[in-house]
Amino acid sequence: ETGVTQTPRHLVMGMTNKKSLKCEQHLGHNAMYWYKQSAKKPLELMFVYSLEERVENNSVPSRFSPECPNSSHLFLHLHTLQPEDSALYLCASSQGQGFVDTQYFGPGTRLTVL
Amino acid sequence: AQSVAQPEDQVNVAEGNPLTVKCTYSVSGNPYLFWYVQYPNRGLQFLLKYITGDNLVKGSYGFEAEFNKSQTSFHLKKPSALVSDSALYFCAVRDGRGYQKVTFGIGTKLQVIP
Repeated sequence: ETGVTQTPRHLVMGMTNKKSLKCEQHLGHNAMYWYKQSAKKPLELMFVYSLEERVENNSVPSRFSPECPNSSHLFLHLHTLQPEDSALYLCASSQGQGFVDTQYFGPGTRLTVL
Repeated sequence: AQSVAQPEDQVNVAEGNPLTVKCTYSVSGNPYLFWYVQYPNRGLQFLLKYITGDNLVKGSYGFEAEFNKSQTSFHLKKPSALVSDSALYFCAVRDGRGYQKVTFGIGTKLQVIP
């Protein structure tokens, strides 16, 4: 285990539902990330939080809404998703947010949008 | 703009044979280079990174990678493959100048045949 947990591991939702993904890191890191992993595509960085402040938002649609209440927890709130949003959503953390420090990834949430 | 290429979708190697997973990159400044591995139903795990110093970098599980500036490559190698090495391998790069995010490749599936 890497010290980063994600819940739920699997999620099936309709296009009109509202759900949230949760990430928790037990490593004492001060930066957390959300990535989207789709088959045959590079990992897509969605959001970066450093010291609980959002420092990066890669033009992600507003139907994805992140929340970082403290340095150990990160949420991704989902609403009115599209089928093309089906993917593996990975959370990661690192000690710094300069992308030199090693990122530690959680196991991911497999999201299916019907 | 920075980019990374993993030219092989899949690499097959017999157990006990040496393995190589290829990665080439493009950045404007000095590169920071990373290799991550993803086992089925798991998140990415850090293997090794090159920031500066010796061109040969040693990492986890007996893996190593050689930084070749003239060929802009950072190939992952292991002298003797294990069946348990079968997984998806990701190369990633970050331009060392300023604040840049990490760009990941699309991944190479390594299949070690018993």
